[in-house]
Formats: sequence, structure tokens, C-alpha cells
Amino acid sequence: QQQVKQSPQSLIVQKGGISIINCAYENTAFDYFPWYQQFPGKGPALLIAIRPDVSEKKEGRFTISFNKSAKQFSLHIMDSQPGDSATYFCAAGPSGTYKYIFGTGTRLKVLA
Amino acid sequence: SQTIHQWPATLVQPVGSPLSLECTVEGTSNPNLYWYRQAAGRGLQLLFYSIGIDQISSEVPQNLSASRPQDRQFILSSKKLLLSDSGFYLCASEGQGANYGYTFGSGTRLTVV
Repeated sequence: QQQVKQSPQSLIVQKGGISIINCAYENTAFDYFPWYQQFPGKGPALLIAIRPDVSEKKEGRFTISFNKSAKQFSLHIMDSQPGDSATYFCAAGPSGTYKYIFGTGTRLKVLA
Repeated sequence: SQTIHQWPATLVQPVGSPLSLECTVEGTSNPNLYWYRQAAGRGLQLLFYSIGIDQISSEVPQNLSASRPQDRQFILSSKKLLLSDSGFYLCASEGQGANYGYTFGSGTRLTVV
């Protein structure tokens, strides 16, 4: 019940296209779902996060869609740019605890 | 906002040598602190977390240990490194307020040879 499954492992998208990364969790106690962006040789940086009281959250070109009944959430990157090329991690956890469970990461490459 | 300082950025150590990686946090007090390891092309593995001075929890039995001698200082150590200890080590601090989530340091690339 502690896993967060992330797919795909890698993704290649043309410039201007939509990048979609999916995550699924098992523990129904999880109520915080962040996404992190990591460039090579750097630590991950918080990109966007959602709580299950909303089904969608948008920040600029980045959107999280959340499906509570299916226990799935996804990251959509609209108008993908070469500068978006990075590894993306989803995570999940319950509020008030000290640990989030991370997905295994998706390496995104946006072709110019 | 929080800032995490991690050093060194890269480290090459022989098998059997000791290790000490240090992480300090600015911009917050009494943070929850974490050590993660990321193997090449892999996800993030939680190694240790700390909710306060001298309060350390270990997630994975291993060759490493952690200490928190001060509120905003977190140290990862080993007495004798193994080849399998190679990886990218990340320190993280948990955010405060409505914007939860971690702030990560820039990481230490450790290669054990």
C-alpha cells in the first residue's frame, strides 16, 4: 500500500506538444500529491502540487489532474519546450506525517 | 523561503574509507530533515529522516548513519564505504505552512572506487 507507480519511464515529445506523465497510488490515506522537476546534477525542485479536494490544478503550462476514485493523478505539460527536458517525479503522502513516497521518475526529452 | 546547503558537490572515495556529508538549512527553524539517495537513472530512496535534534529514524538497513547535532544541521556518515554506496545523495527539508513539500539541496555525487 506504500507504492507510487509512475509511467512512462521515458518520454520524447516534439516542441509545442503535450507531455503527459501518470502516477497511481494505493494508500487511500494519501492526501498530498506533489510533482518535482529535476535537471541533471541538481536536486529536485517542487513544481506543482494538489490535494484531493480539487480535481485539477493549473500553474502556467503545468496542470495536475487528479482522479480520487481511481487513485491516479497525472501531470500535463502544455506547449512543451526544450527547456522542460528533465526528470519528473511524482510523490504522494498523508498530511501530518514525515514521509512522502516518490515515483521512480520519468525522463522527458523535448525535441527542438 | 528555505535554502539547503550541501557539500561537497562531488566526492570520490576508496572502498573502506569513512564518509561525512553535511547539510545545513537556512530560512526556517525546527525543520523535518531527510537524506535521500538516488542511484543513476533511478528514483529517490529515503535513507533517514529527523524531526528534531538527535531524533533520527532509519528507513533502510545499510552501511550508513545519520546525526543531527544542531537544529539545522544534518550529517550523513559511514565508517567504511562500500562500492554499493555510490550514488547521488540529497538532503531535503520539509516545507512549512500551506505549501508543503520538500526543498532539496543540490546534492553530492559520491563515487566509491
